[in-house]
This record gives sequence, C-alpha cells and structure tokens, in this order.
Amino acid sequence: EDKVVQSPLSLVVHEGDTVTLNCSYEVTNFRSLLWYKQEKKAPTFLFMLTSSGIEKKSGRLSSILDKKELSSILNITATQTGDSAIYLCAVEAYDMRFGAGTRLTVKP
Amino acid sequence: DAGVTQSPTHLIKTRGQHVTLRCSPISGHKSVSWYQQVLGQGPQFIFQYYEKEERGRGNFPDRFSARQFPNYSSELNVNALLLGDSALYLCASHSGAGGPAGYEQYFGPGTRLTVT
Repeated sequence: EDKVVQSPLSLVVHEGDTVTLNCSYEVTNFRSLLWYKQEKKAPTFLFMLTSSGIEKKSGRLSSILDKKELSSILNITATQTGDSAIYLCAVEAYDMRFGAGTRLTVKP
Repeated sequence: DAGVTQSPTHLIKTRGQHVTLRCSPISGHKSVSWYQQVLGQGPQFIFQYYEKEERGRGNFPDRFSARQFPNYSSELNVNALLLGDSALYLCASHSGAGGPAGYEQYFGPGTRLTVT
C-alpha cells in the first residue's frame, strides 16, 4: 500500500535556528511531491517537486527531492515565530497521499 | 483573485443525518479534489473531479459521493453520518486534468463538520 512518512512528528526550535524536515515515500507510479504549510485550516502551497524539477527555493525555504532514496527534505533557515505550523508532505501517484505532518514550533 | 471558497465554515449534525458541503475553485481551475482531515492526521483523499467527471476516488464508503457542476464548483455529500465522520473537509483546485502532477494544487479554508 502506498505510504508517506514524515519525520520528526514534532520539533521545537528557537528563532534563528535552521531546521530540516523529512518526508519518505513508497508509492506506485510517482508523479510529484508537494509541500504545504498548515497554520489553522487551509494548507498553503509551498513547493512542488517532480522528476524534472528536483530542487526548489523560495526565500528562507528550500526543498530537494531524492528520487533514488524516495525522499524529500524541506529546509527552513533563520527560523521565525511565524514559521510555527504543521508542514505537510504529499505525494501524487494514483491519488494524492499525505503524511501525518511535522508540527514545528519556533520559540522567540 | 479569489481563492478556493468553501461553505459552510462550520456544521453540526446528528448521527444518521446527511450533509452537503460546497466548494468553488479558483477561477480558471477545472479540477476539484476533496479531502478529509481528522485531528492530528494529514488530509486523506476522497474524490477528484475534472470537467464534471470523476477522475479519482479514495478509500471511502459509498456513503460519500460528489459531483461537479458546469461552472466547475463541486458538492460533497455524506449520507448516514457517523461520529467518525467528524473532521475538517478540505477542497482543493488546480488547473489541469487527471492528477495534480505538474499543477500546483490550492486548498480552501475547509468545512469543520461535527457529528453528535
């Protein structure tokens, strides 16, 4: 059965720290991997990674897809309290499969 | 431009009742997907529709059904509600056909359904 596993499940850091969130997957017919930030309700789109676009960067956030290792990482540098949220990884294959998320707490 | 909109925001129903949730995609987006998110878990895929046709279905019972209208808005219907149906129901839209590979998928604010 297709599955997406995120680690760690939760993380507490202080402002200015750099964090790395992990996502590994086992799916049939991989098409893309997406990262979302969820603060209250609607997940907010961050990145989409595919075979033709394995590295993305936006400001302090960046993400890499490792198709050989079937995994992806999301890096956040110089963290701010506003980065506190749940970060979701989703893999699109025959359907869209989400991980359970990583809850990031950034303390002042 | 308006994002994905959903209604209602919150809903309280009794076991056995049925519910209809509504979603309007971003203008120009022809694909709508529905997800169920239980507290502490990631969203779980329920349905995807494109051009009024079902393109994908997750592992949900037949009590769950959906449809898409000519204006690309969509409804999710759940019959014979159970306590376990209590969740945040999210709608997402993207511009492409089939799965969202190659297309950025955007979520609405969700409908919080509570079944008592």
